[in-house]
Amino acid sequence: SQKIEQNSEALNIQEGKTATLTCNYTNYSPAYLQWYRQDPGRGPVFLLLIRENEKEKRKERLKVTFDTTLKQSLFHITASQPADSATYLCALEYAGGTSYGKLTFGQGTILTVHP
Amino acid sequence: GAVVSQHPSRVICKSGTSVKIECRSLDFQATTMFWYRQFPKQSLMLMATSNEGSKATYEQGVEKDKFLINHASLTLSTLTVTSAHPEDSSFYICSAPRGYSPTDTQYFGPGTRLTVL
Repeated sequence: SQKIEQNSEALNIQEGKTATLTCNYTNYSPAYLQWYRQDPGRGPVFLLLIRENEKEKRKERLKVTFDTTLKQSLFHITASQPADSATYLCALEYAGGTSYGKLTFGQGTILTVHP
Repeated sequence: GAVVSQHPSRVICKSGTSVKIECRSLDFQATTMFWYRQFPKQSLMLMATSNEGSKATYEQGVEKDKFLINHASLTLSTLTVTSAHPEDSSFYICSAPRGYSPTDTQYFGPGTRLTVL
């Protein structure tokens, strides 16, 4: 079965630095890889989606890369702020009728940005 | 923006009772909704897909007779945990994609914290 590993359970960085989070998966590559933010006691909030044929996606201070050869996605937050502190989840979505919308989540990385 | 709500946000019940959780898409219609469960310090695990007008489909290992799902309308799905036991205590989250394309954004509800005594 598919396994997803987000390398760090926790990541601590200083404000202003770039946070880099890793998501690795086994088996076959998903059609879409997504990143979500989850605050304590809340549901996930969508951040970015990248397709299997895309190498990189950006949105404001966020950047996602997707390497299907390495079976890895990197998620970057530049100029990090304490408000970026949260749990970040990667999620895989596969193509195909019965797979539509179904997400397989990694266990998350707890990011703490220190002032 | 699109909003998905859940009710209640928190529920405490006695072992053996049934609990109903509602998931609503507030400003869009969702023919499909998803129910996830999240245990402390663990990730979200997909339980089932709720389909408007047809039966829900359950992931392997999820008991359909214990977790009853009803997609009553294009904006409402309910999850009923029947004969709840302490091991059912968890954070239940629903989601709904806004559209029919795999790249349409999925909106998650705020979650329901279930505690079974």
